[in-house]
Amino acid sequence: GIQVEQSPPDLILQEGANSTLRCNFSDSVNNLQWFHQNPWGQLINLFYIPSGTKQNGRLSATTVATERYSLLYISSSQTTDSGVYFCAVPIKTGANNLFFGTGTRLTVIP
Amino acid sequence: GAGVSQSPSNKVTEKGKDVELRCDPISGHTALYWYRQSLGQGLEFLIYFQGNSAPDKSGLPSDRFSAERTGGSVSTLTIQRTQQEDSAVYLCASSLEARGGYEQYFGPGTRLTVT
Repeated sequence: GIQVEQSPPDLILQEGANSTLRCNFSDSVNNLQWFHQNPWGQLINLFYIPSGTKQNGRLSATTVATERYSLLYISSSQTTDSGVYFCAVPIKTGANNLFFGTGTRLTVIP
Repeated sequence: GAGVSQSPSNKVTEKGKDVELRCDPISGHTALYWYRQSLGQGLEFLIYFQGNSAPDKSGLPSDRFSAERTGGSVSTLTIQRTQQEDSAVYLCASSLEARGGYEQYFGPGTRLTVT
């Protein structure tokens, strides 16, 4: 089955710093989503990005499907960015049920 | 518009009892998914529905778990004879279609604790 690896597993940042989170996946995909799980457990959609680059405020993401990786950039981090960031891809070709990576736990300190 | 809703938000039950968890998807979404998040296993897929049918039940961990969806809308996940290892957060998601390439949106989850 598909494998998804996220790095780093843990990240501590000073408020205002920038960071890059990485997601590697083992098979070609037609769907990739980035989520932020806040301290209350809610999964918040950040990006739906099977390929290309998207930006939303201080966050942007790039997926290079041919090389099987995606990057999430967080600029000028804020304490509210703390939480766990997951990337997820379809479990198998043609399906839409997702397989999640193990996540990156981000802590932003003031 | 309204997002995915789940109830109850928290459920504490005694080992051996049955529980029902409910999910109300985004209006117009034909696909509905159940996932589970537990400390040792991370986020794992359980089952999905396209309309009222469940083509893939491969993620259900045992025959104590079942799910149904009626009217192409609300879904219920039932766990019979609960065990302590069933303690987890159960998350529901929905998307426009179940085919590849549709964004999923998640509900707030139901935290199940089996004592």
